[in-house]
Amino acid sequence: DAGVTQSPTHLIKTRGQQVTLRCSPKSGHDTVSWYQQALGQGPQFIFQYYEEEERQRGNFPDRFSGHQFPNYSSELNVNALLLGDSALYLCASSPSSFHEQYFGPGTRLTVT
Amino acid sequence: SQQGEEDPQALSIQEGENATMNCSYKTSINNLQWYRQNSGRGLVHLILIRSNEREKHSGRLRVTLDTSKKSSSLLITASRAADTASYFCATDANDYKLSFGAGTTVTVRA
Repeated sequence: DAGVTQSPTHLIKTRGQQVTLRCSPKSGHDTVSWYQQALGQGPQFIFQYYEEEERQRGNFPDRFSGHQFPNYSSELNVNALLLGDSALYLCASSPSSFHEQYFGPGTRLTVT
Repeated sequence: SQQGEEDPQALSIQEGENATMNCSYKTSINNLQWYRQNSGRGLVHLILIRSNEREKHSGRLRVTLDTSKKSSSLLITASRAADTASYFCATDANDYKLSFGAGTTVTVRA
C-alpha cells in the first residue's frame, strides 16, 4: 500500500513565475492538507481539501490556491513567486473521520 | 503564528540515555500529536493523545498531557542513533488543521 506521494521532489523557479505541486493521498484517504515549512521552522497550515472543496484555510495570501480531483489527489498552485516562498511543501492525507495525518516526503521549492 | 512551542530547541544525548522534550500551547485542543522529521523530509506520526487522556505509551515513547497547564512532554527512553531527528508537537483544535511548534532537534551520540 503506497503512502502519500508528492511530485516533484525538488523544484527551482524564478521570482514572478508560477508553480504547481502535486500530491496523491494514501489509499482510503479522502482529505488532503498542505503545509509550508520554512528552514528551521515547523510546518504552517496552508489549506485543507475535502470533497473537492477547500474546507479550511490558513493565513496565506490568495497567490496560494489548490484543487482536489475526484480521485482525491490534489494540487497546490503558487502564483507570482517570491523569494520568501522558498520552503519545503508538505502534503498530508487522512480519512475524514480521523485526525491523525500521514505526510508525504515533501517538495523542496527554491525561488531565485 | 505557531500554536505550540517546544523546549529545548536542541538536545544532545548519549546513546542509551533518555530524552525529554516539552511542548506548550495556547488554546483549547481536541488532541495533541507528536511527529518526527528526519533530515528535512516528511513527518512521521509518533503518537496522539486526546484532551481527556493524561498519559500514553507507545514502545519507547511516553507522552503526558496537562490541559490545565496547556503543556505536553515526550520522553524517549533508551535512545538510539536512529532517534536523531527533529521532533514536533502539533495541536488539533478540531478545526481541520494541525498547528505545529518550531520543533526540538535531538542528536544521539554513539
